[in-house]
Amino acid sequence: EVQLVESGGGLEQPGRSLRLSCAASGFTFDNYAMHWVRQAPGKGLEWVSGITWNGGTIVYADSVKGRFTISRDNAKNSLYLQMNSLRPEDTALYSCAKDRGSSGWSNLDYWGQGALVTVSS
Amino acid sequence: NFMLTQPHSVSESPGKTVTISCTRSSGSVAHNFVQWYQQRPGSSPTTVIYEDNKRPSGVPDRFSGSIDSSSNSASLTISGLRTEDEADYYCQSYDSSNQNVVFGGGTKLTVL
Repeated sequence: EVQLVESGGGLEQPGRSLRLSCAASGFTFDNYAMHWVRQAPGKGLEWVSGITWNGGTIVYADSVKGRFTISRDNAKNSLYLQMNSLRPEDTALYSCAKDRGSSGWSNLDYWGQGALVTVSS
Repeated sequence: NFMLTQPHSVSESPGKTVTISCTRSSGSVAHNFVQWYQQRPGSSPTTVIYEDNKRPSGVPDRFSGSIDSSSNSASLTISGLRTEDEADYYCQSYDSSNQNVVFGGGTKLTVL
């Protein structure tokens, strides 16, 4: 059974940093691309970033480019999102999602339950 | 860059058929696959349609997807509506120009 479990969320002040982690199990992690997707309270889905199976391609949404860094450790079956210079508009539930493919973006076929990030002074 | 536009909400009665549209603002809808996700309240999204018209295992054949080049849109059709189909539905595609994943704004389906 595929499982994706996020951790590291919490309350942080504007301008500060947080690091999210996503522990994956139930599939061969290094065969698939992975993504972070966020959902602000009461709002729709917003794609944040994606990384191919080997980290060879990394892409960010314009809203987080230059502030967020996605990475993965295939030996630990883990995905990460380093979030710097946090803004109130970054407040959202952040979910990691598995891609159906390995080296490009397609269907996000499994999602975690998410980690809540709240940015407020 | 393109956007995917969905109706904010739709409603229909149990047993009926409903279609949710997803219109691509620029570029051809046929150029990149479209996926559809169902998100029930308090739950994570799950795929109901991928690659325009494919159903993952476990998704009933009441769910179908299509694309229409003339209207540059994708559609999700749900037949034989059940109360458990009440959820938010999101379309998603891929923007080749900037390698971004693009989501539509979501459609709230009410089955009443």
